Amino acid sequence: ETGVTQSPTHLIKTRGQQVTLRCSSQSGHNTVSWYQQALGQGPQFIFQYYREEENGRGNFPPRFSGLQFPNYSSELNVNALELDDSALYLCASSLKVGLAAETQYFGPGTRLLVL
Amino acid sequence: AQTVTQSQPEMSVQEAETVTLSCTYDTSESNYYLFWYKQPPSRQMILVIRQEAYKQQNATENRFSVNFQKAAKSFSLKISDSQLGDTAMYFCAFMRRGSQGNLIFGKGTKLSVKP
Repeated sequence: ETGVTQSPTHLIKTRGQQVTLRCSSQSGHNTVSWYQQALGQGPQFIFQYYREEENGRGNFPPRFSGLQFPNYSSELNVNALELDDSALYLCASSLKVGLAAETQYFGPGTRLLVL
Repeated sequence: AQTVTQSQPEMSVQEAETVTLSCTYDTSESNYYLFWYKQPPSRQMILVIRQEAYKQQNATENRFSVNFQKAAKSFSLKISDSQLGDTAMYFCAFMRRGSQGNLIFGKGTKLSVKP
């Protein structure tokens, strides 16, 4: 069974640029959630993708957007980067079945530094 | 809105001893799930244990067990026979049943296991 993978592991960008982060879900999973983890904090929910559509969103502006592909992998795009976007970005996959709370399994994360 | 509070920023324990990490949460929901995740220095968030709110029996996974007090909205994690590999950040998390993947995390407790 293949776990959740993310790429790249580290990234450095400058303010105003755009970035794309990638996530491959665990085999058998159909849902991907993205989280932002600032230094010394717990992760904060950005959004979830299910059946290639955004299925729920946290308190993040529209410049945070995403995609999910037919193979259930996902991308997180952030436009007009700000210094406060520097964080660890975590992807988590799960198997959505009805309303049951699906356990989320996390990838190793992408560390983004905005200068 | 739901909140999760971990009141112990740091804790330490001697190898082979037992330690308890505290977590309280605030919610008006009746159907929800609680989780403990561990995040070692490698950054990957690893599921430790999961508890369904409708189950009165406390969840157990090998050396890890919880004390779930629904009325008090308390969800503590007990680690028995602590091992050096248990050194990590531990996050308590809440998810409302039917929510769109929105795990709400506490700020974490840094646990150090000393030889």
